[in-house]
Amino acid sequence: DVKVTQSSRYLVKRTGEKVFLECVQDMDHENMFWYRQDPGLGLRLIYFSYDVKMKEKGDIPEGYSVSREKKERFSLILESASTNQTSMYLCASRDFRGADTQYFGPGTRLTVL
Amino acid sequence: SQQGEEDPQALSIQEGENATMNCSYKTSINNLQWYRQNSGRGLVHLILIRSNEREKHSGRLRVTLDTSKKSSSLLITASRAADTASYFCATDERLGGGADGLTFGKGTHLIIQP
Repeated sequence: DVKVTQSSRYLVKRTGEKVFLECVQDMDHENMFWYRQDPGLGLRLIYFSYDVKMKEKGDIPEGYSVSREKKERFSLILESASTNQTSMYLCASRDFRGADTQYFGPGTRLTVL
Repeated sequence: SQQGEEDPQALSIQEGENATMNCSYKTSINNLQWYRQNSGRGLVHLILIRSNEREKHSGRLRVTLDTSKKSSSLLITASRAADTASYFCATDERLGGGADGLTFGKGTHLIIQP
């Protein structure tokens, strides 16, 4: 079974802090995604990566950056956390060659005070 | 961008009853998927139906797709308390770099009363 793990289930940070959210998948997937999920807004794509060191902006990239130095790891970075970035963050991966299914991590609930 | 829209937003039924959720989308698709999310957790893939299929079954799940109406439905038969979750439809989307992504609806929150 594909396993996608995220570094923290819950995280509390202060405004202005630099925040790193880590995601690791163990199935050699090329594509990886970061979403945020907010009540009433559903899942929104922040950034995605289609290969090592390759990244593309999603629908709401402002205030975020990403890093993909190794195939299995995709990091989401909040350069200077703000209260409006309080949200549930979901990482997903997908096999470029296979079916269209995305495999999700358990999520990180981030609170910015 | 969001394409899928689930209906209803919330649904509460008694255990043993069938639950039906609907999804409408706007543009042409290659496939449509349904995912489930337990409270505070990640999404889990349930079933995928391709644009040339009209109906698909998986255990107690039945999915239909009507491309002429741009709509899909998810039926859960003989519901159980453990089916309580949010259900999302997702349609394929071509992203940059040749990657294929998904656009998700806002979900239907299903509550099964014991």
